[in-house]
Amino acid sequence: DQQVKQNSPSLSVQEGRISILNCDYTNSMFDYFLWYKKYPAEGPTFLISISSIKDKNEDGRFTVFLNKSAKHLSLHIVPSQPGDSAVYFCAATTTGAGSYQLTFGKGTKLSVIP
Amino acid sequence: EADIYQTPRYLVIGTGKKITLECSQTMGHDKMYWYQQDPGMELHLIHYSYGVNSTEKGDLSSESTVSRIRTEHFPLTLESARPSHTSQYLCASKGQGAYNEQFFGPGTRLTVL
Repeated sequence: DQQVKQNSPSLSVQEGRISILNCDYTNSMFDYFLWYKKYPAEGPTFLISISSIKDKNEDGRFTVFLNKSAKHLSLHIVPSQPGDSAVYFCAATTTGAGSYQLTFGKGTKLSVIP
Repeated sequence: EADIYQTPRYLVIGTGKKITLECSQTMGHDKMYWYQQDPGMELHLIHYSYGVNSTEKGDLSSESTVSRIRTEHFPLTLESARPSHTSQYLCASKGQGAYNEQFFGPGTRLTVL
């Protein structure tokens, strides 16, 4: 049973436009969410995170929105650049659990077309 | 800048061989993790450690074992490699505090023939 779902395996966007990557979760105990970016043959790199006490967090071109009632979060990249082409993973954790284990989605491959 | 290292980056080995994947971090992080990832799939946690002499199995059953004798070092061992072990293995570490991210190493791509 997948607790973190990224239902779009891939997404293509024109350079300069907005990229929106979506993520749904089923476990209501999750209270901290993270987005990672991964290039082939490399480890994931942290992008941005959001706590469940917020509904929005912004860092430069990256904004994450959280809708707790819908158990849905999204990552917006504006404007998209060719260097943003990578696989994006959504991850979630329960901070009170102590282990800080992350549960990942399967990822969305973003292609930004010049 | 995160300082977490994995060696080897790529490994092709025959069935039945014993292998050890190395992971080291220089950040003094107590918590370390091993994930396994296949293409197009999520990262699955296979082992984690809260600190020296502490190791736990993750959600995904794995035939591998780990040890944590030093804070900075968290090696993963497969006693007898099989083709089903072919995958990418990612090591991560995390600092104190609930709201810190996990830092990942570059990964080891293992192929067992």
